[in-house]
Amino acid sequence: SAVISQKPSRDICQRGTSLTIQCQVDSQVTMMFWYRQQPGQSLTLIATANQGSEATYESGFVIDKFPISRPNLTFSTLTVSNMSPEDSSIYLCSVEDFLAGDYNEQFFGPGTRLTVL
Amino acid sequence: QKEVEQDPGPLSVPEGAIVSLNCTYSNSAFQYFMWYRQYSRKGPELLMYTYSSGNKEDGRFTAQVDKSSKYISLFIRDSQPSDSATYLCAMKGARAGGTSYGKLTFGQGTILTVHP
Repeated sequence: SAVISQKPSRDICQRGTSLTIQCQVDSQVTMMFWYRQQPGQSLTLIATANQGSEATYESGFVIDKFPISRPNLTFSTLTVSNMSPEDSSIYLCSVEDFLAGDYNEQFFGPGTRLTVL
Repeated sequence: QKEVEQDPGPLSVPEGAIVSLNCTYSNSAFQYFMWYRQYSRKGPELLMYTYSSGNKEDGRFTAQVDKSSKYISLFIRDSQPSDSATYLCAMKGARAGGTSYGKLTFGQGTILTVHP
């Protein structure tokens, strides 16, 4: 199974600033995902990041607000730009690993807990 | 209406109790049904997955899928304090050949506390 690390684990930021979250995987993976988990809410997919192509964003999320980089098969970054208190959330990196059989399991990183003041 | 509905709880049970967690869904394209467990300050980890309808058992955990009712359940037998966590149901579709496909759609998560 893939092991995922994220940096930073948590941060407190001022309104109007930006934060870049890093995601590192211990194996090469094709598909990486970024999720947001707001307090008491479910996980919401922000975007899918495949190496060598532009990230695909879900409805309600735009590249200007959440630019993503995917320079290689083991690493990705998510930037939360021009932050407001509404961006306070846990941001999770996830990868899909192709197992034997028909189900491709998704593994999740520990998350980055962001508080915007 | 959300695609996946899950009672957020919280649910508090004594050690040894049988726990029942449930989700309903509206998208008939979902073919894979997953249960994730998320401990505090950790990412979700996959507990079990089921393809199409039926039951699946893994130790103290049993997953049930009733596609006719669009209803899935997770049962935990002999619950332990270490089972205290948030449990999330999740679903995705499948290609014509049965391989899982598409994005995961999560329920809201149910907070479970098992007290000694």
